Amino acid sequence: GNSVTQMEGPVTLSEEAFLTINCTYTATGYPSLFWYVQYPGEGLQLLLKATKADDKGSNKGFEATYRKETTSFHLEKGSVQVSDSAVYFCALSATGNQFYFGTGTSLTVIP
Amino acid sequence: DTGVSQNPRHKITKRGQNVTFRCDPISEHNRLYWYRQTLGQGPEFLTYFQNEAQLEKSRLLSDRFSAERPKGSFSTLEIQRTEQGDSAMYLCASSYPANEKLFFGSGTQLSVL
Repeated sequence: GNSVTQMEGPVTLSEEAFLTINCTYTATGYPSLFWYVQYPGEGLQLLLKATKADDKGSNKGFEATYRKETTSFHLEKGSVQVSDSAVYFCALSATGNQFYFGTGTSLTVIP
Repeated sequence: DTGVSQNPRHKITKRGQNVTFRCDPISEHNRLYWYRQTLGQGPEFLTYFQNEAQLEKSRLLSDRFSAERPKGSFSTLEIQRTEQGDSAMYLCASSYPANEKLFFGSGTQLSVL
């Protein structure tokens, strides 16, 4: 079946620290992979995506590389800001019809 | 583009009552999804529509749940004979089919007492 496993949080970092949030997946076929972000009081919004192996998605300083050999899609940012405090969800879509989400990782960045 | 709109934002009901939620997607999006999210979990797929056709429904979805999208625009999700286990955030999302980018509403928080 299809599923996503995310590292558990919460994660607390100081401003300008390096961020990694781990995500691994199980899927049939060749899924597309996504990171969604939910800021406090807002709906989920797409942060970045990758549609095939070795693709790198990037947005707002965040990056994630689709690694088929390790079935991973880890989210990274070189220098986090207070405004990055949010909940981050890894997700996959194997058919384009159904999306499978991880449990979410809460990030708090302190000044 | 006003985004995906969901109403009501909050709903408190007694066990056994029926509730209905509404979702207005982004106007040019022909795909509409319903998800359920409980505390500490990611969104769980319930069902999706392409235009007015309901193309897929989660196997885990109870028969007490029904969704419609009568004219391919807004959608309603009804839960009959609510149970305490139905308490959750109900999320609606819409997209273009070829895009795979979901646009989410802010959700309807259901509390069943």
